[in-house]
Amino acid sequence: DQQVKQNSPSLSVQEGRISILNCDYTNSMFDYFLWYKKYPAEGPTFLISISSIKDKNEDGRFTVFLNKSAKHLSLHIVPSQPGDSAVYFCAASFSWNTDKLIFGTGTRLQVFP
Amino acid sequence: DVKVTQSSRYLVKRTGEKVFLECVQDMDHENMFWYRQDPGLGLRLIYFSYDVKMKEKGDIPEGYSVSREKKERFSLILESASTNQTSMYLCASSLHPGQGVRNEQFFGPGTRLTVL
Repeated sequence: DQQVKQNSPSLSVQEGRISILNCDYTNSMFDYFLWYKKYPAEGPTFLISISSIKDKNEDGRFTVFLNKSAKHLSLHIVPSQPGDSAVYFCAASFSWNTDKLIFGTGTRLQVFP
Repeated sequence: DVKVTQSSRYLVKRTGEKVFLECVQDMDHENMFWYRQDPGLGLRLIYFSYDVKMKEKGDIPEGYSVSREKKERFSLILESASTNQTSMYLCASSLHPGQGVRNEQFFGPGTRLTVL
C-alpha cells in the first residue's frame, strides 16, 4: 500500500515558467517531508524539506508547501531551468529525527527551452 | 562532502547466481540503507542497518539479505538471483537521529543489476 503518492509520472514545463510537483500521503502521523532530485546515472540528492509545524519553506527558486488537512504537499520551482530536468521524489517520515524515509513514486520533470 | 560509493555501476548475472552488492560511506554515518528503484514504484526500502551487525527489514526484504561487519560498509546479498530482481539498487547513509540533524539520507550512484 503506497503511503506516499506522486500521481503525475511526468511533467513538461517551458524554461522560465513555474514547475509544480505534487505529492499526497495517507498517514496523518507523518511529521516531516523531504524532496529529493535524481539525475540519470546518479543517486538522489536532497533538495528541500519541511516540518509539519510549517506550511511553507523556501530555498532560492524552490518552495515547498504543506497542506496537512489535505495531506498534500507540493514543490514549486520558479523560474524553471533546463538543469532542473530530473526525477523528483517526495519522502515522508514520522519525525525529523527518525531513521526511515518513505518515498513516493517520483515525477519526471522536463524543462524545455 | 559525504561520499557513498557502490562497487559496480552495471552488473549482469544469471538466474540462480549469488550476487553481492557493496556500499561504502566515508562520513562515519551510523545508518545505512538499501533501496531498489523501479519505474512506477519509486524507491522501496529493502533493508537498513543502524549499527554494526544490526539490521532491520524494510518493506521488501524477501530474496535479500545484508551484512554490516564494519561501520562504513553495507552489503546487499541476493542469495539466488531471479529475473524479478532486475532493478536499480541504491545505497544510502545518514547520521543517527538525536544528534541534532535532520534525517537526510545521502545516496550512492546506484547499481543497475540485470538478471538473465
